[in-house]
Amino acid sequence: DTGVSQDPRHKITKRGQNVTFRCDPISEHNRLYWYRQTLGQGPEFLTYFQNEAQLEKSRLLSDRFSAERPKGSFSTLEIQRTEQGDSAMYLCASSSDRGHPFFGSGTRLTVV
Amino acid sequence: AQSVTQLDSHVSVSEGTPVLLRCNYSSSYSPSLFWYVQHPNKGLQLLLKYTSAATLVKGINGFEAEFKKSETSFHLTKPSAHMSDAAEYFCVVSDQAAGNKLTFGGGTRVLVKP
Repeated sequence: DTGVSQDPRHKITKRGQNVTFRCDPISEHNRLYWYRQTLGQGPEFLTYFQNEAQLEKSRLLSDRFSAERPKGSFSTLEIQRTEQGDSAMYLCASSSDRGHPFFGSGTRLTVV
Repeated sequence: AQSVTQLDSHVSVSEGTPVLLRCNYSSSYSPSLFWYVQHPNKGLQLLLKYTSAATLVKGINGFEAEFKKSETSFHLTKPSAHMSDAAEYFCVVSDQAAGNKLTFGGGTRVLVKP
């Protein structure tokens, strides 16, 4: 499979716990994006990387959220001290400089 | 700043009849515009994209969209709906000055009746 992979597909966690999601982009893509989608809404931009550099962060990304892309390949998104409002689908996408983003199937987070 | 408004949150059509999904955008730059489709429990899939070439864009599965700069619209159409078209559709604008970051509309859920 040469598409964007996200792991895990589903995560249920207790409020206050930390969670980490992983995204493996399409191998030749240098751009990587994270989006969040809540029920009945369109995806909202969280952050994006050009290679290993994090170039933009949304104001939606509170201090509890951190994203990394250490070698310009896979990326991780960590949420510390999860809250019920963090429950959502977290989508990763990747693209080349001129191409459109390709999306993974997402990680569905449920905070109980 | 850029934004996208999808004028209908739900559209219901009968199989074999035309589909029209309306989208208006706002962008400070020459926009790239996209339509993505999301089937239940599936990832977002690109239907078509406009990037300042022909204003009438043909996509997959018989869909097409027309870019109208004067109306700031990018409506999606299909002449004849199929049951498999039931899904959520998102109109999207790309900010080329910010790494092709996508701004999504709120989505239109399409129901196809037999």
